[in-house]
Formats: sequence, C-alpha cells, structure tokens
Amino acid sequence: DGGITQSPKYLFRKEGQNVTLSCEQNLNHDAMYWYRQDPGQGLRLIYYSQIVNDFQKGDIAEGYSVSREKKESFPLTVTSAQKNPTAFYLCASSPHGVATNEKLFFGSGTQLSVL
Amino acid sequence: GDSVTQMEGPVTLSEEAFLTINCTYTATGYPSLFWYVQYPGEGLQLLLKATKADDKGSNKGFEATYRKETTSFHLEKGSVQVSDSAVYFCALSLKTSYDKVIFGPGTSLSVIP
Repeated sequence: DGGITQSPKYLFRKEGQNVTLSCEQNLNHDAMYWYRQDPGQGLRLIYYSQIVNDFQKGDIAEGYSVSREKKESFPLTVTSAQKNPTAFYLCASSPHGVATNEKLFFGSGTQLSVL
Repeated sequence: GDSVTQMEGPVTLSEEAFLTINCTYTATGYPSLFWYVQYPGEGLQLLLKATKADDKGSNKGFEATYRKETTSFHLEKGSVQVSDSAVYFCALSLKTSYDKVIFGPGTSLSVIP
C-alpha cells in the first residue's frame, strides 16, 4: 500500500540532545512538509520541500533542521536549540504542491516528549 | 494576515443528531478550502474540499459550501454516528511566496450512543 510512514511513534528527548524523526513516502510525491501540532492549536508549518535537495523554512523553523537527499525521505531533526519541543509532529506530502489545490497526505505522527 | 477561525469545542452530540461546525476565513486572493479529520492517535485525512465560490464539497454524509460573500465553509452532517467522533480541521490553501496551507485550531467532536 502506498502511504507515508513516520517513525518512531513515540520519542523521548533528554535535555541538550538532538533527535531525528523519520518520514518516508512511497507515493512518488514531489512535495513534503513537516507540521507541529500542539493541544488546542492548529497545525503550524516547520519546513517544506518542493523538490529533492531543496527545502524552505515555514512559520516556526527555529530549533529544527531538515534534509531532502532522496525524493522519498524527509527527516526532521529537533535540535537542543528548540526549548519547547514537546508536541505531536506530522509529516505530509502532496504530488506537486498545494498551489494546484492538491490535498495533503499525512503520516500517523510522532509524539515527542522531553524527559 | 491569512487565517482560519473555527467554533470552539469540544462538541458533544447524541447519535443521529445534526452537526454543524462553523468555519470562517480571512485570505488575500482566492483560496481553496478543505475539511480534514483526525482520529485519535492518527494523522489527518482529507474529508472534503471546494476550490471556488459556491462549490459544495461532500463525502461520507458530510457537506460544506464555499461561501465567498460570508467567507465561510461550515461543515454539516444530518445524522452523526459514534464513529464520527474525531477532531475536525478547517483549512485553506493559497499561493503566496510559497505554497501555503493554513489550518484552523480544530474542533473536537464526541458522539455518544
């Protein structure tokens, strides 16, 4: 089945530690996105990538980093500079990008908590 | 700036009740409008969408009409089921300096038997 796979489902971070969240898609989509979801709030865009080897900051990129070395993979690193990382992180993709009114396909999310 | 506002939840309904979740938006240009649904512990799924004024999106008994004059996209269902219990997000997409999707805060719906 085609889809987006996020791992792990739950992740715990110690103070001063960097952690990486995995996102893999086999939909052959060009565009991939990372969103952060906090309780009672909508999704906020962290980073997005329209094509391999290119990515752009979203609304809340500080303390996060990404890479897009392969079309199917878009890992997110939460660095120690992110002081409030506890949240639910969602990865999404779309065939060509939302400007064409395409829907977003979402993974099942990773819950990150600070120890 | 561009934004989406939804009615606050949580909303609790009895099975077979009528559902309305209000959504209004502010946007420059002409956005496309979406409703996404999130079941517990999962990512979001597209429920329905409308790409221009007066379009009606529909799916699984849910409907929403793109009202440009009132900048609204209210979600309705005539008879809810327990399985409809989820969080519902209204969203818009538009082309700015980058392809942008803006989500509302979500409305939690619980349907009790």
